[in-house]
Amino acid sequence: GENVEQHPSTLSVQEGDSAVIKCTYSDSASNYFPWYKQELGKRPQLIIDIRSNVGEKKDQRIAVTLNKTAKHFSLHITETQPEDSAVYFCAVDMEYGNKLVFGAGTILRVKS
Amino acid sequence: SQTIHQWPATLVQPVGSPLSLECTVEGTSNPNLYWYRQAAGRGLQLLFYSVGIGQISSEVPQNLSASRPQDRQFILSSKKLLLSDSGFYLCAWGLADYEQYFGPGTRLTVT
Repeated sequence: GENVEQHPSTLSVQEGDSAVIKCTYSDSASNYFPWYKQELGKRPQLIIDIRSNVGEKKDQRIAVTLNKTAKHFSLHITETQPEDSAVYFCAVDMEYGNKLVFGAGTILRVKS
Repeated sequence: SQTIHQWPATLVQPVGSPLSLECTVEGTSNPNLYWYRQAAGRGLQLLFYSVGIGQISSEVPQNLSASRPQDRQFILSSKKLLLSDSGFYLCAWGLADYEQYFGPGTRLTVT
């Protein structure tokens, strides 16, 4: 089955700095790569996603890059703010898009 | 717009008692439906998913079961809860274009 590895497991940055989280996957047939943000005690929220026909996607301060050849994708957050502090999960589709396999998560702490 | 509901929001149950968690989706037809469990401080474990009424795929063998009696209703059940069943249970829905959206969750504590 699909194996998704996410690094780092925790990340502390100073407010205003950038944060990068990386995920690698094993199934070359995967085509959809979303990122979720989960604040303490709340549901995961989809924040950005990318499909295999695109190499990069941006939405204000967040961006995702995909390298299908190397089978990895990354979340980039610029000008981090305290409200960016949360757990971030990457995911990869399988079973023709009917399932998502999630990474183990990254705890991001933004220090002000 | 689509809305997903889960209830109850919190639940405290003794070991050996039964469980029934319900999830309903509004504003869409024939969605894929999912049950995840999240232990404290841990990742998202897919328990069951369904691509249609009466179609259930089980991901992890355990004392839980799922049913989909209606197109937009998904139920998670257990006949006898274990301590290890404690966690945050999340229902999610998605369509064929892959996005999944999570419900507000049920926090279950088994005592």
